Amino acid sequence: GEDVEQSLFLSVREGDSSVINCTYTDSSSTYLYWYKQEPGAGLQLLTYIFSNMDMKQDQRLTVLLNKKDKHLSLRIADTQTGDSAIYFCAETLGNTGGFKTIFGAGTRLFVKA
Amino acid sequence: GAGVSQSPSNKVTEKGKDVELRCDPISGHTALYWYRQSLGQGLEFLIYFQGNSAPDKSGLPSDRFSAERTGGSVSTLTIQRTQQEDSAVYLCASSDRIGTNEKLFFGSGTQLSVL
Repeated sequence: GEDVEQSLFLSVREGDSSVINCTYTDSSSTYLYWYKQEPGAGLQLLTYIFSNMDMKQDQRLTVLLNKKDKHLSLRIADTQTGDSAIYFCAETLGNTGGFKTIFGAGTRLFVKA
Repeated sequence: GAGVSQSPSNKVTEKGKDVELRCDPISGHTALYWYRQSLGQGLEFLIYFQGNSAPDKSGLPSDRFSAERTGGSVSTLTIQRTQQEDSAVYLCASSDRIGTNEKLFFGSGTQLSVL
């Protein structure tokens, strides 16, 4: 089925690293995404990775992709209280009608000062 | 406009009434999505448009839900005979697809409360 799976909660201390994990469904997905949602707001694209890459680094963010296991992770280094939000993993699925983007349930990250 | 605009931002209605939710995508974006986010739940795909056509309506929960898009721009999501379980935040997103890379830009959502 079409299911992107994530754990629902993660709690870390300020300054520690956070690792948010995701498993996706379609091995043919060419792009995988991480979105961030702050309270009362819509989602905002954080980063994405092309499927022929294993890793992408962007400042404090590191994305790791394991295509064999269909596993995606987002690591946030030196986590700050401002990183508290819901993080969504997403993939784009192809079908006869074109393709569409589906999301996981989101991981709520709590950062303790 | 500068971003995706949704209206109203909040809607309170009585059970059984019809509601219309509007989405103004970023100018020139060809793809438009509707998602639903219930309290404590993830993002539920409802429907997406490529131009004015909707290749995938599989996420619409029942025949009380419908959506249209005109002129390749504004979209309206209509819920008829609303039920309490329809209460949620309805999010719209638009995208300027480049190949298979789809970066979605989201509006702030419409909070629908059905009493």
